[in-house]
Amino acid sequence: DTEVTQTPKHLVMGMTNKKSLKCEQHMGHRAMYWYKQKAKKPPELMFVYSYEKLSINESVPSRFSPECPNSSLLNLHLHALQPEDSALYLCASSPRPGWAQETQYFGPGTRLLVL
Amino acid sequence: SQQGEEDPQALSIQEGENATMNCSYKTSINNLQWYRQNSGRGLVHLILIRSNEREKHSGRLRVTLDTSKKSSSLLITASRAADTASYFCATDPGGGADGLTFGKGTHLIIQP
Repeated sequence: DTEVTQTPKHLVMGMTNKKSLKCEQHMGHRAMYWYKQKAKKPPELMFVYSYEKLSINESVPSRFSPECPNSSLLNLHLHALQPEDSALYLCASSPRPGWAQETQYFGPGTRLLVL
Repeated sequence: SQQGEEDPQALSIQEGENATMNCSYKTSINNLQWYRQNSGRGLVHLILIRSNEREKHSGRLRVTLDTSKKSSSLLITASRAADTASYFCATDPGGGADGLTFGKGTHLIIQP
């Protein structure tokens, strides 16, 4: 299995809702990432998990709460989002944290619309 | 923060022609990678070039890296309609597991 899966594919939520995005990989990768991508812009890093521990938080608002329950699973919990949070949320993984020579494997993304 | 700047931002060529995209970056790097994204979907890794390499080939792709100018180029030869996508360069300024910093991207359209 050489892919990263993300669910749901699309999500519409109100500003008072609580929802979660899920990312899964079964490649044995120990680094996992969340990126946010607005329309016609490049992806921007949000969080990095290394060996299931949060290692990077790029000053993301607390209404985004990441969680890594095990080495295969990465969640992004959403609460009280704003319309400007509407974007494509991409999950990625790479084999070994700390190795700059490795590529990242991306999931297809979750397209989020906040009303 | 944006590390890379792609040039051009958009490029439209005829099928069969070659497409060249450029990327500039600001800080020192261990490697530079190129990714492709189709229609707002996930990114697909194309090629990685290390800081001690000057040129790398993979199929119809040729990447160059000039660390003195902090720039890279991606050449796609004999373009096909399926090459229509956005192309991003990406660097890892932190030296590993700090996540990637992407350039603004070039949107490539191949006219049949």
